[in-house]
Amino acid sequence: GQQVMQIPQYQHVQEGEDFTTYCNSSTTLSNIQWYKQRPGGHPVFLIQLVKSGEVKKQKRLTFQFGEAKKNSSLHITATQTTDVGTYFCAGKITGGGNKLTFGTGTQLKVEL
Amino acid sequence: GAVVSQHPSRVICKSGTSVKIECRSLDFQATTMFWYRQFPKQSLMLMATSNEGSKATYEQGVEKDKFLINHASLTLSTLTVTSAHPEDSSFYICSARLQGARTEAFFGQGTRLTVV
Repeated sequence: GQQVMQIPQYQHVQEGEDFTTYCNSSTTLSNIQWYKQRPGGHPVFLIQLVKSGEVKKQKRLTFQFGEAKKNSSLHITATQTTDVGTYFCAGKITGGGNKLTFGTGTQLKVEL
Repeated sequence: GAVVSQHPSRVICKSGTSVKIECRSLDFQATTMFWYRQFPKQSLMLMATSNEGSKATYEQGVEKDKFLINHASLTLSTLTVTSAHPEDSSFYICSARLQGARTEAFFGQGTRLTVV
């Protein structure tokens, strides 16, 4: 079954509101990556976190990797309509070889 | 960034026919490519790992005789859906990674397959 879960599944916000998606793995991850997929498009890499407790920022986006390396979060401050899309976390499961396991995804809609 | 090109972007085929999807790394060599399937509003499910010059590694539950993968060169992997049925209709997407320290996946544009 799906080993990497994300909540919420959907989020509908007003432009300017903040947004957070949470990613939880049943097993320890060697690293976590985040991707954004626009409607009708393909996933595009955003960032990778490797270290326990790591925090990285990209403009309005803040990414965290949990201390136990089993969870992660993506926070968007003051959402814009350009943030619309589905956000996926993806992790390399420790001992799982070279493949990425994608989370269930969070679909973000931003309303004016 | 690295570019992965997937072709065709859309295909409609009749039930019982076969469809070939190509995935090319345009500006880098990819010894490994990955094939995913994505249903509407769902996540990407890894189908198989394509290895250049050797057999693909299929995920549990994926029929290797139905989803034929060939990775004959360092820049091309193909996925052939054989004897397609309506339940095979889906979005198929490939990815490749650069060798070395960079581990992010670069995705092709995806192929929307509709079997009628």
